[in-house]
Amino acid sequence: DSGVTQTPKHLITATGQRVTLRCSPRSGDLSVYWYQQSLDQGLQFLIQYYNGEERAKGNILERFSAQQFPDLHSELNLSSLELGDSALYFCASSSTGGAGQPQHFGDGTRLSIL
Amino acid sequence: DAKTTQPPSMDCAEGRAANLPCNHSTISGNEYVYWYRQIHSQGPQYIIHGLKNNETNEMASLIITEDRKSSTLILPHATLRDTAVYYCIVRVFSGSARQLTFGSGTQLTVLP
Repeated sequence: DSGVTQTPKHLITATGQRVTLRCSPRSGDLSVYWYQQSLDQGLQFLIQYYNGEERAKGNILERFSAQQFPDLHSELNLSSLELGDSALYFCASSSTGGAGQPQHFGDGTRLSIL
Repeated sequence: DAKTTQPPSMDCAEGRAANLPCNHSTISGNEYVYWYRQIHSQGPQYIIHGLKNNETNEMASLIITEDRKSSTLILPHATLRDTAVYYCIVRVFSGSARQLTFGSGTQLTVLP
C-alpha cells in the first residue's frame, strides 16, 4: 500500500461528458503528480501541483484541468470526453517538489469512454 | 533528463537472482537513477534509487558502474509476484521539481 488513494477505481461514461478524478496524497506529502497511461502511449506526465500551486505541466490537453486544495488532495477534471481519453489515470505524491524525492503512486482510476 | 535503454523482456527462474540492466550513457552528474515496476496495470511501485554509490533496500539492490553510464537492478530471490514491467528512469536531483519520464521498460517474467 503506497498510501496514495485514488477514487473512483473505475469510471464509465460517454463521449462529451465531464468527470472528476480524486487523489489523496500520502500523509505529509505536499506534491501531487498526475499521469495518464493509455495502451499506445505508455505513462505520460500531465501536471504537478506543490502545496496548492501548479509546479509543472506536461502533455495535458486544454480540456483537462487540475487543482490541489488546502487539505492537499487533488482533483483532475476531464471535460468534453473523447474515445481517446480512455486510459488509466494515476496520481503520485512526494514529500516535496524536489526531484530527489521518489514519487509514490496510487492504484489509478480506469476511465472508459463509450 | 538522460535517456535510458532497457531490454524489452527477460525471463528468470523462480528463486534465482534477476539482474535487470539499464544503459544511461548520457547521464549527467546531477541525475539520479530510479527504478520502478508496474504489475499488471497497477500503479507503478517505487523500488530504489541512487546517485553513484551502490544501494540496497528490502526489495532490491542497485549497482551503478563507476562511470555511471549503466546500472543493474538486482532482485536477489525472484518470486512469481515479481513478474512486472521494470522501468529505469534518470532524473535530475536539484533545481525545480521534475516529473518522471517512463520509457518502455523491461517485462520481467519469473518462471516457476
